[in-house]
Amino acid sequence: TQLLEQSPQFLSIQEGENLTVYCNSSSVFSSLQWYRQEPGEGPVLLVTVVTGGEVKKLKRLTFQFGDARKDSSLHITAAQPGDTGLYLCAGEGDYKLSFGAGTTVTVRA
Amino acid sequence: DTAVSQTPKYLVTQMGNDKSIKCEQNLGHDTMYWYKQDSKKFLKIMFSYNNKELIINETVPNRFSPKSPDKAHLNLHINSLELGDSAVYFCASSARAGIQEKLFFGSGTQLSVL
Repeated sequence: TQLLEQSPQFLSIQEGENLTVYCNSSSVFSSLQWYRQEPGEGPVLLVTVVTGGEVKKLKRLTFQFGDARKDSSLHITAAQPGDTGLYLCAGEGDYKLSFGAGTTVTVRA
Repeated sequence: DTAVSQTPKYLVTQMGNDKSIKCEQNLGHDTMYWYKQDSKKFLKIMFSYNNKELIINETVPNRFSPKSPDKAHLNLHINSLELGDSAVYFCASSARAGIQEKLFFGSGTQLSVL
């Protein structure tokens, strides 16, 4: 199993602030996915990054895949209460997804 | 219509009992999965089926037995439940087994073993 570490574990910020969450591993992944999970629901895919150094933007969310394809970051600009949730990264290797333990983000109004 | 639906949503039972969780997807996908999410939110794959055939079987006690009667259904039966089995179990599906596939998750079954 390829281990992914996410940091921080918890993040609480005020509406309008920016935040960054990190996903790190010692393993190389063929691709990396980010999911958001809300309480009582299953994770929902936000983005898949494939190429080392790739940057993808989804409205106020910016995702980056490390050059060596071992790490990734998610940056949210001007966070809103609707961004509240558990953010999970998942690295793909051997046709399996290995998930990190997630970062719980709370955006206060 | 819910894409991936699993029942029940909540399951409270005594140690030693046997229980089943059902999952159905109406997306026409070939591949289905069972994941377990522990109290620390760590999501770990248990099983994966592709067109009713088992393709991933992680280190899971043999008290857990998945069954896929057709590619739209993947059920999970658990024998002799233990306290440590308490978790949220998620069913998921993807169009096919392979790289960069998007997983569609159900809303989870919270299992509490007393």
